[in-house]
Parts: sequence; structure tokens; C-alpha cells
Amino acid sequence: SAVISQKPSRDICQRGTSLTIQCQVDSQVTMMFWYRQQPGQSLTLIATANQGSEATYESGFVIDKFPISRPNLTFSTLTVSNMSPEDSSIYLCSVVDRANTEAFFGQGTRLTVV
Amino acid sequence: GENVEQHPSTLSVQEGDSAVIKCTYSDSASNYFPWYKQELGKRPQLIIDIRSNVGEKKDQRIAVTLNKTAKHFSLHITETQPEDSAVYFCAALNTNAGKSTFGDGTTLTVKP
Repeated sequence: SAVISQKPSRDICQRGTSLTIQCQVDSQVTMMFWYRQQPGQSLTLIATANQGSEATYESGFVIDKFPISRPNLTFSTLTVSNMSPEDSSIYLCSVVDRANTEAFFGQGTRLTVV
Repeated sequence: GENVEQHPSTLSVQEGDSAVIKCTYSDSASNYFPWYKQELGKRPQLIIDIRSNVGEKKDQRIAVTLNKTAKHFSLHITETQPEDSAVYFCAALNTNAGKSTFGDGTTLTVKP
């Protein structure tokens, strides 16, 4: 299993500003995933963060809006840039086990943009 | 890419009854199918999974079935209890890639 510490747990931000979310894993992992979850909805993958290379973004998500860092095998950050109220959501980081099967999630960051 | 459809979106049952949630997937390369339970305000957690070389798996009151030919899999919860109330997500992934595609979720309410 993997234990993920994600912070902040929540934040209220002004539109036009940026917020950086951090995830720390208790073991080395190859891939880390960043998801967005609108209230009452499913998990939408934003990007896959790989150590030593640029993140791979899903359709509809771009690096300028959601820059990601992955400086080592246990840590990653997601920045939500130039925020608007539409960015209000829960953001979760995730890793998979060594067999690339079970996903483990951080506790989530509840972002409200006003 | 993979596309996962999940039904129903909401399900309400009486305590003690059974609940069934169904998912279909599109990518024949997917070989692992987990189910996650997400309680209100908490992170999703794995409750049961099945691999593509298995047709059925059971763990106490929950079971999962997989029809690889038809590309669909189902979650069965028997003798439901109020603490089973949560949002349930199915997912499909290719273990060579490690990236999960999630269904839209089913909100299960078990009425006492």
C-alpha cells in the first residue's frame, strides 16, 4: 500500500491567483496522477506526472493552466494557475501499487475560487 | 482511449436488500477492473477488484463479475447495511500503462 499526504486540504482563493498543491508519498513510485473531482461527479484525470520528464496531459488540460513538477520519485506538485470560479473543485493526487493495479489517493484539496 | 460507462447514477435500496451496479468498458487491452467506495468527504478506497482472466470474485457481502467478451462488469452487494451508503466508482485499466479510467459513479443509499 501507499500513504499519500496531500496539502493543503482546502483553500479559498481570489480569481486570477494561483495555488500549488503538494503530494508526498511514503514510497518511491514511477507515476503519479492528478485528478479533478467536481462535487458529486467522477474523477477526471488531468495529467500523469513522471519523474525526469514532462507531465502527460489529458485532452482538455494544458500545461500553462496546470503546471506540474515531479522533482523526485516521492513528491509532486500541481499548480492551478490564473484561477477562475470554474476551477472550484476537489483536486486529488494518486499513485498505483507496484503491480500497476490498485490506486491510492491523497485526501484531496477542496479549492474554492471567489 | 478507454471509455467506462456506469449505471445507475443513483440507487436506493432497503436495508437487507441487494444492490447491483453495472459498468461497461471499451478498450479490449484493459485487464484490471477495480471498484472504489468513496464516503462523503473522504478519498476513494478500493473495495474489490477483478482481473481479466477471472470471471467472478467474492469477498463476504460483495462480489464482482466480469464478462470479457461483452466488456462489462458488475458489483453486487448483498444484505446491504446503512454503512454501505456511499458513492461507488468502477474503473478499468491496462496494467502495462497504470492509468485508470473511472466510471461516473453510483450514489448508493441504503435506507434503514
